[in-house]
Order: sequence, then C-alpha cells, then structure tokens
Amino acid sequence: DVKVTQSSRYLVKRTGEKVFLECVQDMDHENMFWYRQDPGLGLRLIYFSYDVKMKEKGDIPEGYSVSREKKERFSLILESASTNQTSMYLCASTPSRQGTDTQYFGPGTRLTVL
Amino acid sequence: GNSVTQMEGPVTLSEEAFLTINCTYTATGYPSLFWYVQYPGEGLQLLLKATKADDKGSNKGFEATYRKETTSFHLEKGSVQVSDSAVYFCALTSYNTDKLIFGTGTRLQVFP
Repeated sequence: DVKVTQSSRYLVKRTGEKVFLECVQDMDHENMFWYRQDPGLGLRLIYFSYDVKMKEKGDIPEGYSVSREKKERFSLILESASTNQTSMYLCASTPSRQGTDTQYFGPGTRLTVL
Repeated sequence: GNSVTQMEGPVTLSEEAFLTINCTYTATGYPSLFWYVQYPGEGLQLLLKATKADDKGSNKGFEATYRKETTSFHLEKGSVQVSDSAVYFCALTSYNTDKLIFGTGTRLQVFP
C-alpha cells in the first residue's frame, strides 16, 4: 500500500514564526502536492512538484514556499506564519502526470497560528 | 475555468436509507471525475472514479455515473451504514493536467 506520512498531526505556532511541514511518501511517486483544507472552501492547491528540485505554484501560493531535495520528501514552509494560515494542511502524491491517476493523501496536519 | 459544485451538507440519514449526493462540473475537454472520502481524523482517500463519459465507478456499495450530457457525477448508495459517516468530495482533473479541482465537500451523518 502507498503510504504518505506527515510529520505532525497537530501543530501550534505563534505569529511570525517560521514553520516547516514535512511530507514523505514511500512508493517512489513522481508528483507531490500540498493543499490546505478550510470549511466551506474544500481543498485548495498551494504548491506541487513533478520532480526533485522542481516546484510549481498552485492556486494559493502566497505566504508559502516549498522544498523538494529528495524524491520522497516534500516540505511546505511558512516563512512568517500568520493567523490566516490556521488550517488543515494535506499532502498528496501520484505516480505520474496522467489525469486519471489516484492521488494518495497523508493524514493531514492541523496548524493553529496564535 | 474548471470547477466542481456539490450539494451543501450536512446530509443526515438513518441507517439503511438511500443516499444521493449531487455533483456537477464545468470543464473544458474531457475531465476525469472522482469521489474522495474523508473519515473523521483522517486524510482523503479515493472512493471511486470514472475517466470517460458513461463510465460508472463503484466501490463499497457506492456508485457514480459520468454523465457528459448533464455534466454530473452524482454519488449514490442504496443502503447507508453508520460507518459511512464522513465528508465526501467530488473532484475532477482536466484532460491535460493531473491537478485535482475539488468541490467544497458534503458531510454525511448516518444515525442508527
């Protein structure tokens, strides 16, 4: 089974802190994604990556950056956390760029910024 | 642009009731359509999918048919169980990308 793990289930940070969210997949998938999930808005794509050291902006990249130094690991970085970044963050991966592929999700990190 | 619209919840049902969650989409080309489910405290997982018109996806008693003429992909189950209580997301990928576009989600609550 594909497994996508995220470093923390719950995280509490203060405004202005630098925050790292880590995601690891164990099935050699090419593509990885970061979403945030908010009530009434569904999931919105923040950033994605098709290969090591590659990244592309999603629909809401402002205030975020990413890093993919190894194929299995995709990190989301909040350079200076703000209260409006309080949300559930979900990581996902797919084996290829075909639109028919299933995306495999991690369990999510619920981030609270005080 | 591409978008997905699904019915607002919560949907509240008694066990063994019939379930329909409506989903319609707007997309250029020929999208693939998905239903993902999120159980309490977990990430999303694929429930079913359909990749071309008139395809029917099915899994765990759930079904959805890709209707191009009505741009719909409604989720149905004949007899729900308490364990089906979750949030259900309709989503699509358009023909030239693997980026998922999600609906806002529909919470289903099933009571014994």
